Amino acid sequence: GAVVSQHPSWVICKSGTSVKIECRSLDFQATTMFWYRQFPKQSLMLMATSNEGSKATYEQGVEKDKFLINHASLTLSTLTVTSAHPEDSSFYICSAGPLQGKYEQYFGPGTRLTVT
Amino acid sequence: QKEVEQNSGPLSVPEGAIASLNCTYSDRVSQSFFWYRQYSGKSPELIMSIYSNGDKEDGRFTAQLNKASQYVSLLIRDSQPSDSATYLCAVSRAGNNRKLIWGLGTSLAVNP
Repeated sequence: GAVVSQHPSWVICKSGTSVKIECRSLDFQATTMFWYRQFPKQSLMLMATSNEGSKATYEQGVEKDKFLINHASLTLSTLTVTSAHPEDSSFYICSAGPLQGKYEQYFGPGTRLTVT
Repeated sequence: QKEVEQNSGPLSVPEGAIASLNCTYSDRVSQSFFWYRQYSGKSPELIMSIYSNGDKEDGRFTAQLNKASQYVSLLIRDSQPSDSATYLCAVSRAGNNRKLIWGLGTSLAVNP
């Protein structure tokens, strides 16, 4: 149980284009989904928290107009990186918190984004 | 003072030994405590959760929580080379929109 999928697992895009990443909780409903970014050999950095049907809450320093988050249902959240630049190249990971949980988060496998 | 602190390591133990990973947290109202394992290039995986004082055992893993000392630990018995990874401690607080506060992780190397 508690499986989270992410798609795509890796993507290469050209500078200036947009990329959408999907995160799905496969066998549970998620009250809250989270988006993280991780650079090589660095720690997880929370980008934003999203609740189904509400606007996402972004962490300080994260541009909400650049990283668009949509949480359309209790099992699906999407992150769109708009006008991507090489410095946006990173490992993007989503996690989901079960509806009946005690604040635990289950992570998707991550999406490796390379912007050329 | 960081909200969740871990020794960055690397912690090196021989195969078969007990690995002891420690984590301290600053907010006394923290309620839920988690240990995640992250292999290089992969996403974190939840391995233990603990909510009340004392020990909780799951296979080779034991989590220990001491709320008075604001301390949570993870013991790995009979360590295997496959346990080599970064171990992340995460703590929740009520009313924090279910966010977890993360430590920076302890790198564990189990030597054959």
